[in-house]
Amino acid sequence: GAGVSQTPSNKVTEKGKYVELRCDPISGHTALYWYRQSLGQGPEFLIYFQGTGAADDSGLPNDRFFAVRPEGSVSTLKIQRTERGDSAVYLCASSWLAGAGELFFGEGSRLTVL
Amino acid sequence: DAKTTQPPSMDCAEGRAANLPCNHSTISGNEYVYWYRQIHSQGPQYIIHGLKNNETNEMASLIITEDRKSSTLILPHATLRDTAVYYCIVNDQAGTALIFGKGTTLSVSS
Repeated sequence: GAGVSQTPSNKVTEKGKYVELRCDPISGHTALYWYRQSLGQGPEFLIYFQGTGAADDSGLPNDRFFAVRPEGSVSTLKIQRTERGDSAVYLCASSWLAGAGELFFGEGSRLTVL
Repeated sequence: DAKTTQPPSMDCAEGRAANLPCNHSTISGNEYVYWYRQIHSQGPQYIIHGLKNNETNEMASLIITEDRKSSTLILPHATLRDTAVYYCIVNDQAGTALIFGKGTTLSVSS
């Protein structure tokens, strides 16, 4: 596709369950970013990749959150032992190179933890 | 933490110019000013960015003061579809991620 694709668009899970959110960036974009957004707040930075490696993971809130990008394209954000406070929209963005200006965002994955 | 200050909300009449201010008094010499907007239930969308000079594209104009401590995003003829949250961000393009604040909610009415 032409844009950043995120799946699932909606995910409802129970407290304590494991969740994976997928991001398919624009073809050729080497940088990939994860943000999360709570109601009424701006996007909160979590982690970004340049290629396959995590260049900055300082925004991950704790060790329940982990992200991978094994082949430098698709990325998966993994959340273990989900808590109600993890409920948010998780946004993915990509750019052709880290720090190169324009980020292209996906529509987000809305996670609800009951 | 976001390094910019924006008013929480603004109103604009359809067809009029919308002027959205942003203060970034601690901006460094190598930091750019970026503007993004987010329409309800969508991901943020890039609008424009600049370093020192004023910039214009098909969406908007960016006016940066000479001391670079503030800027204004101008939507020359606002439409109802411009109703969104507008984020002003400073970034050095050295690989650090964009840090969003709460932005300005612009409401365009007919």
